[in-house]
Amino acid sequence: DTAVSQTPKYLVTQMGNDKSIKCEQNLGHDTMYWYKQDSKKFLKIMFSYNNKELIINETVPNRFSPKSPDKAHLNLHINSLELGDSAVYFCASSQEFSRGRFFGPGTRLTVL
Amino acid sequence: DQQVKQNSPSLSVQEGRISILNCDYTNSMFDYFLWYKKYPAEGPTFLISISSIKDKNEDGRFTVFLNKSAKHLSLHIVPSQPGDSAVYFCAAQQNRDDKIIFGKGTRLHILP
Repeated sequence: DTAVSQTPKYLVTQMGNDKSIKCEQNLGHDTMYWYKQDSKKFLKIMFSYNNKELIINETVPNRFSPKSPDKAHLNLHINSLELGDSAVYFCASSQEFSRGRFFGPGTRLTVL
Repeated sequence: DQQVKQNSPSLSVQEGRISILNCDYTNSMFDYFLWYKKYPAEGPTFLISISSIKDKNEDGRFTVFLNKSAKHLSLHIVPSQPGDSAVYFCAAQQNRDDKIIFGKGTRLHILP
């Protein structure tokens, strides 16, 4: 019974393509996040949504567009993929203003 | 700029001994600190946390110590077990801000 799930687990694609990563949480949490772990292993927040509303948008290129159809889902769409987008992307969720985060298993994106 | 630093990329400890993972931070406004544990191909999982009003928090084999004057915290695991082999991320948060700043992680190897 996975709490935070992401699909796909691996994604290999060519530069210039558009791709989406899906995330779902069954914990009833109000807030969902996308994090990027780059080659230097830093986990950096990209976006945060609370009840389908965008709360945090770090300095992420416009090519990245999160979409939250409901509070249990936060999908990440990436347009015109670039080599530098290669990373592991983690979805996470938490109760509003809660300190802890529940992370998904990650999606390893490789852009060729 | 690294606000949360884990200067040891890896650490090897004999099973049964104490593992000490260190973390330094630069932002004196951080008021909450967390440790996450990550196994390969999985997302980080929350382990233990400490508020800045405390200097120690213990949970079973895990104890986190906070030295605010030195802007330093450490995670002690005793006794270390094989299942503790993982990457440990130190993280910090400010004023219930939704952003959690992560360190780069320390890979802990527990030796038989």
